[in-house]
Amino acid sequence: GAVVSQHPSRVICKSGTSVKIECRSLDFQATTMFWYRQFPKQSLMLMATSNEGSKATYEQGVEKDKFLINHASLTLSTLTVTSAHPEDSSFYICSAVGRGSLIGADTQYFGPGTRLTVL
Amino acid sequence: GQNIDQPTEMTATEGAIVQINCTYQTSGFNGLFWYQQHAGEAPTFLSYNVLDGLEEKGRFSSFLSRSKGYSYLLLKELQMKDSASYLCAVVSGGYQKVTFGIGTKLQVIP
Repeated sequence: GAVVSQHPSRVICKSGTSVKIECRSLDFQATTMFWYRQFPKQSLMLMATSNEGSKATYEQGVEKDKFLINHASLTLSTLTVTSAHPEDSSFYICSAVGRGSLIGADTQYFGPGTRLTVL
Repeated sequence: GQNIDQPTEMTATEGAIVQINCTYQTSGFNGLFWYQQHAGEAPTFLSYNVLDGLEEKGRFSSFLSRSKGYSYLLLKELQMKDSASYLCAVVSGGYQKVTFGIGTKLQVIP
C-alpha cells in the first residue's frame, strides 16, 4: 500500500526558533497533501491544503506567515513553523492523495505524525 | 458550516459487536471516511462510503445514508487491539475538504 513518511517524528525546540517538518510520499506521486494539527484529546484540524506547484490554501484562523507550506515536488511537502511558541506544541500530521485520484475522493494516506514541543 | 456528531466514549466486551454512529450536517457532501487512531499515532484508513448502503471489510463494516446524514461503523468479534479512537470524517465542497469529527474512544474489555 501507499506509504507516507514524516520527518522528524519528534522535535523539541526553544521558543522563537523555526522548525521544518517534511512529508514525503514514498511510492506514489501526491498531487495534493494536507496538513493537520491535533491537540491532546481533540480531533484532527485541517490547517492547509497543499497542491504541487502552487500556493497552499489555508483554513480560516491559520496564519499563513507563521505556518509556511511548500509543495516543491510530487513527493514532498514541507511545513515550517516559524517563531514557534509553546502554544504551537502539538501533533502535526500530513496526508497525501495520489495522482489520478480525485482530491479527497480516494483514500488519504496519513504520515506517522510529528510531535512538536516548544519550550 | 459543517457539524459532525459522534459519541465521545464507548465500552464493549471482547468478542462482541459494537456500532459507532456518526451524524453530520454539511453542504456539498461527497463522501465519508472512517479512520482508526491509536493514542499518539496517526489515523489509519478503515473505509470510505460515497453511496448509500453497507460496505463490509472483514470484521469492519460501514453504512451510509446520505438522506439522513447518518453513518455507522460496525466492528464484529471485538479484540483488545480494537481499543482506539474511531474518527468519522466528511468530504465536502469543491476541493473535497475533509472535516473530522471529535472521534469515539472505544475501550474493549475482557
